[in-house]
Amino acid sequence: DTEVTQTPKHLVMGMTNKKSLKCEQHMGHRAMYWYKQKAKKPPELMFVYSYEKLSINESVPSRFSPECPNSSLLNLHLHALQPEDSALYLCASSQESGSSGRDEQFFGPGTRLTVL
Amino acid sequence: AQSVTQPDIHITVSEGASLELRCNYSYGATPYLFWYVQSPGQGLQLLLKYFSGDTLVQGIKGFEAEFKRSQSSFNLRKPSVHWSDAAEYFCAVVLNTNAGKSTFGDGTTLTVKP
Repeated sequence: DTEVTQTPKHLVMGMTNKKSLKCEQHMGHRAMYWYKQKAKKPPELMFVYSYEKLSINESVPSRFSPECPNSSLLNLHLHALQPEDSALYLCASSQESGSSGRDEQFFGPGTRLTVL
Repeated sequence: AQSVTQPDIHITVSEGASLELRCNYSYGATPYLFWYVQSPGQGLQLLLKYFSGDTLVQGIKGFEAEFKRSQSSFNLRKPSVHWSDAAEYFCAVVLNTNAGKSTFGDGTTLTVKP
């Protein structure tokens, strides 16, 4: 199984809502990533988890809260978002993030988030 | 400043024609280099990667890329484009001193004419 799955596919939320994005992989990968991608732009790294510990936080606002409950799952909790947070949120995984950076990242199809 | 540049925002080629997408990087050392493709509404898929060794690397879907240290380039090529190749293409780099952090170019949109 070389797939990264993300749910939901689409999400519309108000600025006062709390929601969560979910990501799952069963490839035995120990590194997982969250990216934000605006239309016609490249993905921007948000968070990296390595062995279920947060290893990189790219100065993301606290209204985004990542969680890695186990090695297969990655969540992104959303609270009090702004309309400018509307984007495609991509999850990825790789064998490891740590030692070399050589590992291919496998991307999920993304969650299209709209904040009203 | 360290950067990844894809000079061409949009390229249009006819089906069956050859393709070259450009990627230049500006780093002190040679980074690890990747090319990804993204179809509309989809995630990214790795086409190929370069770490060291043979400077011509083969990837999936008939793509290849050549690393040229003297030009700090890693251009993607395909000898004959298919309509299904229409997509967004991203060049990405990872520094071995900052593993886990990919920096992407702004992307090149490929349109294929019938």
